[in-house]
Amino acid sequence: DSGVTQTPKHLITATGQRVTLRCSPRSGDLSVYWYQQSLDQGLQFLIQYYNGEERAKGNILERFSAQQFPDLHSELNLSSLELGDSALYFCASSVGIVPGELFFGEGSRLTVL
Amino acid sequence: GDSVTQMEGPVTLSEEAFLTINCTYTATGYPSLFWYVQYPGEGLQLLLKATKADDKGSNKGFEATYRKETTSFHLEKGSVQVSDSAVYFCALFLFSGGYNKLIFGAGTRLAVHP
Repeated sequence: DSGVTQTPKHLITATGQRVTLRCSPRSGDLSVYWYQQSLDQGLQFLIQYYNGEERAKGNILERFSAQQFPDLHSELNLSSLELGDSALYFCASSVGIVPGELFFGEGSRLTVL
Repeated sequence: GDSVTQMEGPVTLSEEAFLTINCTYTATGYPSLFWYVQYPGEGLQLLLKATKADDKGSNKGFEATYRKETTSFHLEKGSVQVSDSAVYFCALFLFSGGYNKLIFGAGTRLAVHP
């Protein structure tokens, strides 16, 4: 158990819909990272937050947004969903801004029909 | 740009065979290098790391040496077990100009048979 909790574990929705994925980092970790894992794209970095502020941005689409709340949990919002958004979305956390070791959750599997 | 390239899988081995998974990188600065492992149905977990040239990371019988001259960080294990079956990801971390990035390779699936 990494200590990182992601909900929901599985989500099935339709194209055009909006979903929210939630992540609770390991106790004491201030940084939260979101990654998308798909069969054809591998593991893609989306975005990082540190103590409530955005710190780094990767290949995140404009239809996607994220935030980190004062209690340090984070949410990834995916809107106007497309078939190609079907993937496993991972949250990871680390103590500081600079990731020495990331602790990953078990992921949220999104299926868009 | 900065990137990580891993050998394509799947890699299929018999138990007790020698394992090598190749990883090379391209980076503008001096990255730290990592190997992560993903067991079926689980998230990634750190296997080993090296933060500077010639460092050797090791854990659970796995080893990798940071080779700056060949920009490589190949993963090796002398004798694999069925329980090592998983997907292995090579990754690099760079911190430059207040911007940091952790970049993963595509992953290499390892299947070990009894």
